[in-house]
Amino acid sequence: DAGVIQSPRHEVTEMGQEVTLRCKPISGHDYLFWYRQTMMRGLELLIYFNNNVPIDDSGMPEDRFSAKMPNASFSTLKIQPSEPRDSAVYFCASSLAGELFFGEGSRLTVL
Amino acid sequence: RKEVEQDPGPFNVPEGATVAFNCTYSNSASQSFFWYRQDCRKEPKLLMSVYSSGNEDGRFTAQLNRASQYISLLIRDSKLSDSATYLCGLGGPGYALNFGKGTSLLVTP
Repeated sequence: DAGVIQSPRHEVTEMGQEVTLRCKPISGHDYLFWYRQTMMRGLELLIYFNNNVPIDDSGMPEDRFSAKMPNASFSTLKIQPSEPRDSAVYFCASSLAGELFFGEGSRLTVL
Repeated sequence: RKEVEQDPGPFNVPEGATVAFNCTYSNSASQSFFWYRQDCRKEPKLLMSVYSSGNEDGRFTAQLNRASQYISLLIRDSKLSDSATYLCGLGGPGYALNFGKGTSLLVTP
């Protein structure tokens, strides 16, 4: 079975540009999570959805970040405008109210 | 104070050694506890859940101490392939997990 699928795997962009990260959760999972990982701050929860509804977005750093889940099989995390401090690995994870399954991550570098 | 704290290490141990990590947490409302393993430049993967009564899976033993608010992971007979970063994850009333920064383990020949 396919796991959590994220795209792009790597993105290099310039400060000020819009970045869109995509995630396809495991079919049947009703929870979807966006995490960000850096050396300094570790793995931080940004936002999570249950049945496509955002439940807790208190981890979203600021208004430059937004996330949507238009249907059960797709979610996006958008950063506009991007800044160098947004450079990190962004993980999407899904679950069925239990173990979290992570995607391979999107490594973002903002120059 | 961060909600979930781990000693970053690195823990350098020889093959065959026993090594233990702790993870302390500040939120007494935490309801679920997990250990995840993360290899370099890979995603975290569940190693084991941590139950109130403690649990064992082969060479790995996890324990929960609610009174002192920590969980532990014991690895016996370390293998080279155990080298990784070990993250503890704690869940509250929802199903999102808060993770520690991880403990790095390097098992040497």
